Amino acid sequence: GESVGLHLPTLSVQEGDNSIINCAYSNSASDYFIWYKQESGKGPQFIIDIRSNMDKRQGQRVTVLLNKTVKHLSLQIAATQPGDSAVYFCAENPSGNTGKLIFGQGTTLQVKP
Amino acid sequence: ETGVTQTPRHLVMGMTNKKSLKCEQHLGHNAMYWYKQSAKKPLELMFVYNFKEQTENNSVPSRFSPECPNSSHLFLHLHTLQPEDSALYLCASSQPGGSVAGELFFGEGSRLTVL
Repeated sequence: GESVGLHLPTLSVQEGDNSIINCAYSNSASDYFIWYKQESGKGPQFIIDIRSNMDKRQGQRVTVLLNKTVKHLSLQIAATQPGDSAVYFCAENPSGNTGKLIFGQGTTLQVKP
Repeated sequence: ETGVTQTPRHLVMGMTNKKSLKCEQHLGHNAMYWYKQSAKKPLELMFVYNFKEQTENNSVPSRFSPECPNSSHLFLHLHTLQPEDSALYLCASSQPGGSVAGELFFGEGSRLTVL
């Protein structure tokens, strides 16, 4: 069946260090992937996305890497800040140009001052 | 401010009550969604509406009844719920065919507790 998973439920990093959050997906037909950030008491917010015809995409302090061979997605956050503390979800879109996303379970990022 | 507003933010109800969750989006989108977020579980898609028509019901029990009177408003009517229905209910919207395929804009959720 379809599933999207994350390798670690919790990641703790020192402020200023780089963070890497990993995600494995199972649907080879998925052509679009998104990372969301959810802060306490809020809804998920879009961070960055990537299409399956790319293997890397960079945003402001964030980079998403896609390895279709092993069906692996990662989110890299440079110079992690206390405001980055949140739950991070990866999601895949197996159904083309729609919003029917399949979400992973989430990784809680804790930033130590 | 995401452009998607949900009310109420918190709701406590008994198993025999009838209540409704409301969602309004100010983004001009034509697709709206209900997702359920339970502790320790991934977000689960419940319903999808495109241009006011329901296009997806992800095997949701009939005690959850959605309503979409127009592209900007979405309701979730609740009746005879069970304690295991306690969760965060998230509304989202998107623009089918938009430049970012599949990107969802979420509201802040309605935290539901069923006693």
